Amino acid sequence: GAGVSQSPSNKVTEKGKDVELRCDPISGHTALYWYRQSLGQGLEFLIYFQGNSAPDKSGLPSDRFSAERTGGSVSTLTIQRTQQEDSAVYLCASSGGLGFYGEQFFGPGTRLTVL
Amino acid sequence: DQQVKQNSPSLSVQEGRISILNCDYTNSMFDYFLWYKKYPAEGPTFLISISSIKDKNEDGRFTVFLNKSAKHLSLHIVPSQPGDSAVYFCAAIGGSNDYKLSFGAGTTVTVRA
Repeated sequence: GAGVSQSPSNKVTEKGKDVELRCDPISGHTALYWYRQSLGQGLEFLIYFQGNSAPDKSGLPSDRFSAERTGGSVSTLTIQRTQQEDSAVYLCASSGGLGFYGEQFFGPGTRLTVL
Repeated sequence: DQQVKQNSPSLSVQEGRISILNCDYTNSMFDYFLWYKKYPAEGPTFLISISSIKDKNEDGRFTVFLNKSAKHLSLHIVPSQPGDSAVYFCAAIGGSNDYKLSFGAGTTVTVRA
């Protein structure tokens, strides 16, 4: 399909392990966002990529979290040494332009469970 | 710091009646507001939005009202249908970070047949 895709859909890992979450944005979208939704909470902004500009990493909760966007397309969110509080649904979104004032298109999310 | 608040975690409404979802915000720099709808195991999808220069925007059965002085907005769904059962998120954007959406915690709407 033409929408945002994420993989895996579910990930169960043990505390202390590293995980990688993948996002394929809509083709041609220049902006890509990562959010997470913990139980009972709203979507929490993590990181924003726009074209070739330096990403806004202000939402990353700790230095265990990092993200890359290769070739202006696919993005990977990496969580090192996972903790139980990292358990959440991680959502990726993309949008079409600068100075966005409007719709972000979301993927289905990756549900991460840290045991 | 939760800048967008949805104080009702859930709402149950009879089919055909009106659903009213409320949202409050604290950041006076927000100038654009959006509602997203989310079904289980899917990502949120855009529903309707409103600019701060307006106080009402209507799209079919969905109407969003904005009260800037009260920093309050609401979403009205009339008439409510079973397919409207979902989680609804209020979101806001504006100010120096005009790409960063701030979301509320969501309201789960259940439409009873």
